[in-house]
Amino acid sequence: AQKVTQAQTEISVVEKEDVTLDCVYETRDTTYYLFWYKQPPSGELVFLIRRNSFDEQNEISGRYSWNFQKSTSSFNFTITASQVVDSAVYFCALSETRSWGKLQFGAGTQVVVTP
Amino acid sequence: NAGVTQTPKFRILKIGQSMTLQCTQDMNHNYMYWYRQDPGMGLKLIYYSVGAGITDKGEVPNGYNVSRSTTEDFPLRLELAAPSQTSVYFCASSDVGTSGYEQYFGPGTRLTVT
Repeated sequence: AQKVTQAQTEISVVEKEDVTLDCVYETRDTTYYLFWYKQPPSGELVFLIRRNSFDEQNEISGRYSWNFQKSTSSFNFTITASQVVDSAVYFCALSETRSWGKLQFGAGTQVVVTP
Repeated sequence: NAGVTQTPKFRILKIGQSMTLQCTQDMNHNYMYWYRQDPGMGLKLIYYSVGAGITDKGEVPNGYNVSRSTTEDFPLRLELAAPSQTSVYFCASSDVGTSGYEQYFGPGTRLTVT
């Protein structure tokens, strides 16, 4: 069975601080995909990144960066120089290749950025 | 392309009432999904479909039914609504691209059962 754990329930930072969100996953499959989604207060789900299990290269996109480590089954997400607009709930999700695209979500981490 | 559309956006039901949440996608995707999000929680899969005429249960299917008569539509039926079904419901669609599945989510339906 697959499982996604986001141990941090809420993180509060002051604007311009960096914030790192942890995600640990469990799967028996050797081929899978990992995702991060953002859910702002308006409620929609915004896709941020998808990573497949064969690609452990870390990625930076603007103020966002991701650290994927298969050895520790972790896919952590960092926001650099946070802004008030980054305040949202962030979800990590896992999809196994043979699961028809079904997503297993973590419980989410609420990020609160104050001016 | 409108992507994934859901109706209604909001609904209040009385206990025991029934309703259908509508979901339509215009991307010709084979795979469609219904998730529910309870307050402070992540999304959980209710039902999914891999093509017209083919559906299967997800993690939390009790109290719901689905059908998939066309590629575009994937309605979710609530029979005998209960307070435990108060949630936000998201429909999604996907297909297999060169980098695996890409999921597209609708805006959600906020349902309250009182």
